[in-house]
Amino acid sequence: QITLKESGPTLVKPTQTLTLTCTFSGFSLSTSGVGVGWIRQPPGKALEWLALVYWDDDKRYSPSLKSRLTITTDTSKNQVVLTMTNMDPVDTATYFCAHRLICSGCRSFDFWGQGTLVTVSS
Amino acid sequence: EIVMTQSPATLSVSPGERATLSCRASQSVSSDLAWYQQKPGQAPRLLIYGASTRATGIPARFSGSGSGTEFTLTISSLQSEDFAVYYCQQYNDWPPLTFGGGTKVEIK
Repeated sequence: QITLKESGPTLVKPTQTLTLTCTFSGFSLSTSGVGVGWIRQPPGKALEWLALVYWDDDKRYSPSLKSRLTITTDTSKNQVVLTMTNMDPVDTATYFCAHRLICSGCRSFDFWGQGTLVTVSS
Repeated sequence: EIVMTQSPATLSVSPGERATLSCRASQSVSSDLAWYQQKPGQAPRLLIYGASTRATGIPARFSGSGSGTEFTLTISSLQSEDFAVYYCQQYNDWPPLTFGGGTKVEIK
């Protein structure tokens, strides 16, 4: 079955760079149609999509955060890594990685990691 | 950017009753809309995609309808496990993929 799990620091200081790793199983990023996305959720607030990478290394980013985000893959390790530069307290959130539902034109997410809470504070 | 607006913010419903949740898009998203359920401390769970197709394992009491800019999620008979926050998400015009602000379904 498909599982995903996020890992990374729980606390970062303002201006630092955040690096989060999504380690998954049950699928391969080499398979046509597969995609992995990152979504975040500030405490008590709504979901916000950040980035999505496809099996063919096509990468898409939220326009409002594009200058700060980089998504990379390590197919051999079944990992997707998200980096976010210049962290600010408003970036405090639970960060989720998720598997893209595979259907024509679909960009919704059918399997999610448990999420990891990242706090930005000095 | 397409803005998704959900209403009401909170819906108070008794167990066994029907719940109707709304989602409006700032421009047409055709049928490229998904619904998620999220319980406290948990990740979202995909309920509906393509506006009306139930995801694998989702009970038939959940149904989605609508197209264009107006969408509805209906829970036909609320069970105790259905009390949660529900989000809609459009994937028609992106990036960005955008979510609504959520509707909390609480016990009346």
